[in-house]
Amino acid sequence: NAGVTQTPKFRILKIGQSMTLQCTQDMNHNYMYWYRQDPGMGLKLIYYSVGAGITDKGEVPNGYNVSRSTTEDFPLRLELAAPSQTSVYFCASSASYGYTFGSGTRLTVV
Amino acid sequence: AQSVAQPEDQVNVAEGNPLTVKCTYSVSGNPYLFWYVQYPNRGLQFLLKYITGDNLVKGSYGFEAEFNKSQTSFHLKKPSALVSDSALYFCAVVGADGLTFGKGTHLIIQP
Repeated sequence: NAGVTQTPKFRILKIGQSMTLQCTQDMNHNYMYWYRQDPGMGLKLIYYSVGAGITDKGEVPNGYNVSRSTTEDFPLRLELAAPSQTSVYFCASSASYGYTFGSGTRLTVV
Repeated sequence: AQSVAQPEDQVNVAEGNPLTVKCTYSVSGNPYLFWYVQYPNRGLQFLLKYITGDNLVKGSYGFEAEFNKSQTSFHLKKPSALVSDSALYFCAVVGADGLTFGKGTHLIIQP
C-alpha cells in the first residue's frame, strides 16, 4: 500500500524554467491537495481537487497550474520558475476526514 | 474562512516533565481538528484528530489533545516528555477546501 507518492524528492531549477511535480495516490480518494511549506509559515494550500476533472484555487495559486484527468494523479505545474517558488511541496489526498500526505518535494529555484 | 493559531513559535520542556502545545481555531460549524508532527527533512506524520465524541483524544506516541469548545482550543499534551519528541508540531482544522494549518510550534525537549 504505497499511499501518496511524490516525485521527484529534490530538484534545482533555474529561473524561468518549467517543471511538473508528480503526485499519485492508490487509495481511490476523490479529494487531493497541493501545499507548500515555507519556514515559519506552516503549510499553505496551492490548489485542490474534489474529483477527476475538477480543480480549484487555494490560498496561494499564482505561478502554478494543476490538472486532474484521473482519480489517481494530480500533477502540479510550474511554468516560469521564480526564486519565490523555492519551497517544500506536499501533496495529500483525503477521504472521510482521513488525510494522507506524500513525503514532499524540495524545490530550489536559482 | 477557517483559521488556526499556534501562539508559541517554540516551547522548551525538560525531559520527563509534562508538555503542552497550544492551538486555537476559528471555523463555521462543527470543528474537525488535527495534530501533525514533522521531524527535520521529513513529511507530516498524523498524531491525532477530533471529529466528534469525547473531548480528550488519545493519539500516537503517548500524545493526547483536549478539545474545548467554549475556548475554541485544541491543545496538545503529553504527561512525560521525551527528547525524541523534539520536532515541529502543526495544528490544523478542516474547511471546505481541506486542511488549514497553523504556523507550527517547535518543541524542544532538553535532557
